[in-house]
Amino acid sequence: DAGVIQSPRHEVTEMGQEVTLRCKPISGHNSLFWYRQTMMRGLELLIYFNNNVPIDDSGMPEDRFSAKMPNASFSTLKIQPSEPRDSAVYFCASSRPQGYTEAFFGQGTRLTVV
Amino acid sequence: AQSVSQHNHHVILSEAASLELGCNYSYGGTVNLFWYVQYPGQHLQLLLKYFSGDPLVKGIKGFEAEFIKSKFSFNLRKPSVQWSDTAEYFCAVATGGGNKLTFGTGTQLKVEL
Repeated sequence: DAGVIQSPRHEVTEMGQEVTLRCKPISGHNSLFWYRQTMMRGLELLIYFNNNVPIDDSGMPEDRFSAKMPNASFSTLKIQPSEPRDSAVYFCASSRPQGYTEAFFGQGTRLTVV
Repeated sequence: AQSVSQHNHHVILSEAASLELGCNYSYGGTVNLFWYVQYPGQHLQLLLKYFSGDPLVKGIKGFEAEFIKSKFSFNLRKPSVQWSDTAEYFCAVATGGGNKLTFGTGTQLKVEL
């Protein structure tokens, strides 16, 4: 299995532009998580899905952020418009649906908004 | 809501020294506990996990952790660290049989030759 695949690995964009981050979870994993990592705030859970349905989006910082999971093998995290304070590493992770299992992380997308 | 505390933010050790990193959580019910490691520039990888049974769990690369329910703790240990253990270590908890992880702030470990 190739593991959790994220793209792009690096993204540099100008303030105000739309940014879309992509994630392909491990096949057979029904839960998908989006995390953001910064020096100041550490690892924050933004949103997670079970069976393609958003379960908890309380970590999404504001309306500029949105996430979708149109099918079991693909998810996107969109920021529109982007701001410099959104600069961070964004990780996607997946796991089997219910407890007694760990989350497997992708390599992350390093986003820089200038 | 549950929270996870890692009290050591930065730790510097010499090779062959023993390591113990603290982790405490706040949640009164059933918990699943994890330690993840993040090597420089890489993603998080699982070191070890506790779901039930023997409170002393062994993970990869010689790491182990002990779950002490009465202290709400899950400290990570390694008897003799190597330079290659230089990384950031995260404790995480999932509660109520679910799989949503809450992470601690991480401990940056530097092992010097």
